Amino acid sequence: DTAVSQTPKYLVTQMGNDKSIKCEQNLGHDTMYWYKQDSKKFLKIMFSYNNKELIINETVPNRFSPKSPDKAHLNLHINSLELGDSAVYFCASSQAGGELFFGEGSRLTVL
Amino acid sequence: GENVEQHPSTLSVQEGDSAVIKCTYSDSASNYFPWYKQELGKRPQLIIDIRSNVGEKKDQRIAVTLNKTAKHFSLHITETQPEDSAVYFCAASRRSNYQLIWGAGTKLIIKP
Repeated sequence: DTAVSQTPKYLVTQMGNDKSIKCEQNLGHDTMYWYKQDSKKFLKIMFSYNNKELIINETVPNRFSPKSPDKAHLNLHINSLELGDSAVYFCASSQAGGELFFGEGSRLTVL
Repeated sequence: GENVEQHPSTLSVQEGDSAVIKCTYSDSASNYFPWYKQELGKRPQLIIDIRSNVGEKKDQRIAVTLNKTAKHFSLHITETQPEDSAVYFCAASRRSNYQLIWGAGTKLIIKP
């Protein structure tokens, strides 16, 4: 009964490839997020969806495209991967600006 | 733009001593201030939060204080234990948009 689950946990891929990370929450929350955490541990918001509608879209390259098929799912697709995309990507959810519940993270390594 | 500064970036304390981490924010409309703890290799988790209508909140060995006039808030951990070793993040948001602005994190090291 994991609250926020994301897959895969690890991705290792070559530059130029495309990859996707999936996220699902079973908390009934109205808002879902994607965060990027680099090697210096900064937590950077990338996207936020409220009831399937994009509400935050920080300056990330348009190679990153989020998709929310329903309130419980928020997937992240990355095209033409670059070395600088290597990081841990966290999915999270919250209800009306309350506590953020994070997934376990997906560690992306681009070679 | 909105900014949250967090200090220190690394804090090393002797086990049993207290630790204090400080954050300042720039947006005077901020009214919600959570603290998250991230253990090595794990996800960030909320440990305590405070809203702008109170000045202090305690939960066992952890407390948070808020000074709205000076626009800063602090995390206090007393009687530190090895399991307190982690990276701690502060954040601030407005009720109107719920967008969290994060501090850069503090790595807390508890020395045995």
